[in-house]
Amino acid sequence: AIQLTQSPSSLSASVGDRVTITCRASQGIANAIAWYQQKPGKVPKLLIYDASSLEDGVTSRFSGSGSGTDFTLTISSLQPEDFATYYCQQFNDYPWTFGQGTKVDIK
Amino acid sequence: ELQLVQSGAEVRKPGESLKISCRASGDILRSNWISWVRQMPGKGLEWMGRIDLTDSDTKYNPSFQGHVTISTDDTVNSAFLHWSSLKPSDTAIYYCALTWRAFDSWGQGTLVTVSS
Repeated sequence: AIQLTQSPSSLSASVGDRVTITCRASQGIANAIAWYQQKPGKVPKLLIYDASSLEDGVTSRFSGSGSGTDFTLTISSLQPEDFATYYCQQFNDYPWTFGQGTKVDIK
Repeated sequence: ELQLVQSGAEVRKPGESLKISCRASGDILRSNWISWVRQMPGKGLEWMGRIDLTDSDTKYNPSFQGHVTISTDDTVNSAFLHWSSLKPSDTAIYYCALTWRAFDSWGQGTLVTVSS
């Protein structure tokens, strides 16, 4: 199975900060990656698909990039509602797998 | 607008069986695939498998194959997750998700508690 390793596992940031989360795949997955946001006690929400396509209705503060094995999710200016856990997921090969998550909390 | 509505929370004893459901309504024409995702308490997301609502074609994560069965009833646009013999380690929230460009829409989750 393809392993996805997110870094960091957690980070503390302030409102207005630019935040970057990395997801590294154990083998090449083209651009078949998605990013999700999950707040405590809530359902995960799709942010980005196909590595860089913004889901309808998602703020343009979020952006994704990368291809092959290295991917990033960037939040351009962190807002209070962005404090959450973020997951990457690959769709290139079965079984589809998730990264372990990156928790973003308030500094 | 697409909605996925899951069945309610369940409490079972080890060894008991259980079937939970996920019903799709609204704009489901984008995709016929429904996936199931497990989230154990305080842990991350794990993809369990997916099913095509129209032909029941199913793909399982090997980590779950043999322990759960994914099925469908296309007459009511529903997918199901079935255990024949639950274990305490099955305690988790189970989400269904419409699978199109990614996991585009999610059900509200079903909490399954397995305890003697």
